Amino acid sequence: DIVMTQSPDSLAVSLGEKATINCKSSQSVLSSSDSKNYLAWYQQKQGQPPKLLIYWASTRESGVPDRFSGSGSGTDFTLTISSLQAEDVAVYYCQQYYSTPNTFGGGTKVEIK
Amino acid sequence: EVQLVESGGGLVQPGGSLKLSCAASGFTFSGSAMHWVRQASGKGLEWVGRIRSKLNNYATAYAASVKGRFTISRDDSKSTTYLQMNSLKTEDTAVYYCTRFNVIPAAIGYDYWGQGTLVTVSS
Repeated sequence: DIVMTQSPDSLAVSLGEKATINCKSSQSVLSSSDSKNYLAWYQQKQGQPPKLLIYWASTRESGVPDRFSGSGSGTDFTLTISSLQAEDVAVYYCQQYYSTPNTFGGGTKVEIK
Repeated sequence: EVQLVESGGGLVQPGGSLKLSCAASGFTFSGSAMHWVRQASGKGLEWVGRIRSKLNNYATAYAASVKGRFTISRDDSKSTTYLQMNSLKTEDTAVYYCTRFNVIPAAIGYDYWGQGTLVTVSS
């Protein structure tokens, strides 16, 4: 199984400042057939199901604000919130869907400082 | 409007069984792979298993923690997927979500989620 490791576990960022979350996979999730990284990011607010933010490591899902961006390839990935808003308080998860079982990172809790 | 509505959760004793349902609407269910993901209270997300579409022979796969105890099925005529849970353990206590795994035009992840149904395994 591919193990997904996120860091940090939590972070507190001032409104308008940048938040950066890291995700590392134990094996590459880069597909040689289509050159896509099978890595997604989800946002989960309290009491709600997760919401898909980013897929293919860097493609924003429709309707997701452009302050959210994803980067990385192979085994190392980053989710960046360029200017934190109050509504971004949530837990963020990375997930690989390169192989079964699809596995999630442990989550990163983002709060307002 | 896309909807995934889970039902069937509740309190069950260890060793017991429960069957969850997830009714879908607003998208082409028959062509979609459906997955189940669970989340224990205050914990992270755990993939439970999936069932692919008829085009992919309704292939199923399960997490090691539930393999042999849980079974996923679907009824495309009812746009519903099911999670049959047998020999339940206290560690199966969680909110169970059904979710659509979007593979068109290529796999992008879980784009639709239900609100979840709570399963509590306790004596």
